[in-house]
Amino acid sequence: QVQLQESGPGLVKPSETLSLTCTVSGGSISSYYWSWIRQSPGKGLEWIGYIHYSGSTNYNPSLKSRVTISVDTSKNQFSLKLSSVTAADTAVYYCARRGNYYDSSGYHYFFDYWGQGTLVTVSS
Amino acid sequence: DIQMTQSPSSLSASVGDRVTITCRTSQSISNYLNWYQQKPGKAPKLLFYAASSLQSGVPSRFSGSGSGTDFTLTISSLQPEDFATYSCQQSYSTPLTFGGGTKVEIK
Repeated sequence: QVQLQESGPGLVKPSETLSLTCTVSGGSISSYYWSWIRQSPGKGLEWIGYIHYSGSTNYNPSLKSRVTISVDTSKNQFSLKLSSVTAADTAVYYCARRGNYYDSSGYHYFFDYWGQGTLVTVSS
Repeated sequence: DIQMTQSPSSLSASVGDRVTITCRTSQSISNYLNWYQQKPGKAPKLLFYAASSLQSGVPSRFSGSGSGTDFTLTISSLQPEDFATYSCQQSYSTPLTFGGGTKVEIK
């Protein structure tokens, strides 16, 4: 059973960089895409971006200028860096695996395994 | 970006009720639609992918349907463990986007 676990500081100061790591266990990080998703208090889910084990990335344009997602296959980990944070970046951050399914319409992608989430508060 | 609109935003229902949640997209997405269930303090759980494909382990009282811009999640007989927030998500194009969620509460 694949398991994901987020780790990193729960408090970040405004204008600094938020850094989180997701450790994947119970399976290899290879052969899949891996994503970061966040949820502001009382709000809906927001996709931040994803990375393939090869290193290719796709980011949400709304955050692209501040986001970097990287992967370390030797540690079965991938990471998120979000720079110049403000209070608006306060959220629960989730890491997730992008699963896939093929039908007559083509390939479908979805988030089938999630970490438990970690609350990051931006405050001085 | 593809906008996702769920309705209602919340509903109150009793155990045994039939519940229907709607998700509408701002443009046609064929069947590139996923549904998730989220309980307080927990990560979302995948219920359906490709609009109507039931994820392994999800009870058959849940059903998903729709194509194009209109999609539906139905719970045929609401159970105590089904009280949660349900969200749709499109996988047609990036940026991937989610609906605002529908909170199903106990009447």
